[in-house]
Amino acid sequence: DIQMTQSPSTLSASVGDRVTITCRASQSISDWLAWYQQKPGKAPKLLIYKASSLESGVPSRFSGSGSGTEFTLAISSLQPDDFATYYCQQYNSYPLTFGQGTRLVIK
Amino acid sequence: QVDLVESGGGMVQPGTSLRLSCAASGFTFASHGMHWVRQAPGKGLQWVSAISSDGNDKYYVDSVKGRFTISRDNSKNTLYLQMNSLRTEDTAVYYCARGLITARQYFDYWGQGALVTVSS
Repeated sequence: DIQMTQSPSTLSASVGDRVTITCRASQSISDWLAWYQQKPGKAPKLLIYKASSLESGVPSRFSGSGSGTEFTLAISSLQPDDFATYYCQQYNSYPLTFGQGTRLVIK
Repeated sequence: QVDLVESGGGMVQPGTSLRLSCAASGFTFASHGMHWVRQAPGKGLQWVSAISSDGNDKYYVDSVKGRFTISRDNSKNTLYLQMNSLRTEDTAVYYCARGLITARQYFDYWGQGALVTVSS
């Protein structure tokens, strides 16, 4: 199974900051990686697919990069609505696996 | 618009069974792979099972193999998850999620979730 490891587990930031979240795969997954945002009590929402493709309707302040085993989600200028938990997910092979999540909190 | 509505959750005792359903609308259900993803209370996301668009290919996480069965009825636009021999560690919100029409599967739409509580 492919293990996905996110860092940091918790990230404290202020509105307007630029932040990055890292996701590492235990083996190469090419660019078969997605990022999701989840708010408490809600279903996850797709942000990025194929490592760097922005899902329709997602603000352009979100961006993804990377390939192989190391990936990054960046938010260029944090908005109040962005404080949530973020997950990466590999879809290179079954079983599909998620990172453990990164909780983005207000400083 | 795409809509996925789960039903069938509830509280059950260990060792018993439960069947979840996911009613899909707003898209061509028979064209998409479909998935179940769960989230234990206060924990992260765990993919549970997938089924191909025609129902011929099924995949499971190791921890549910032999206990859970995924199925679909394309005539009713409905996805199912039959859960047998439930354990306390199966307690979670279970989300139905739409995959793609291609072989590579991420999840572009999610249902609101169904809570399954396994407790004596």
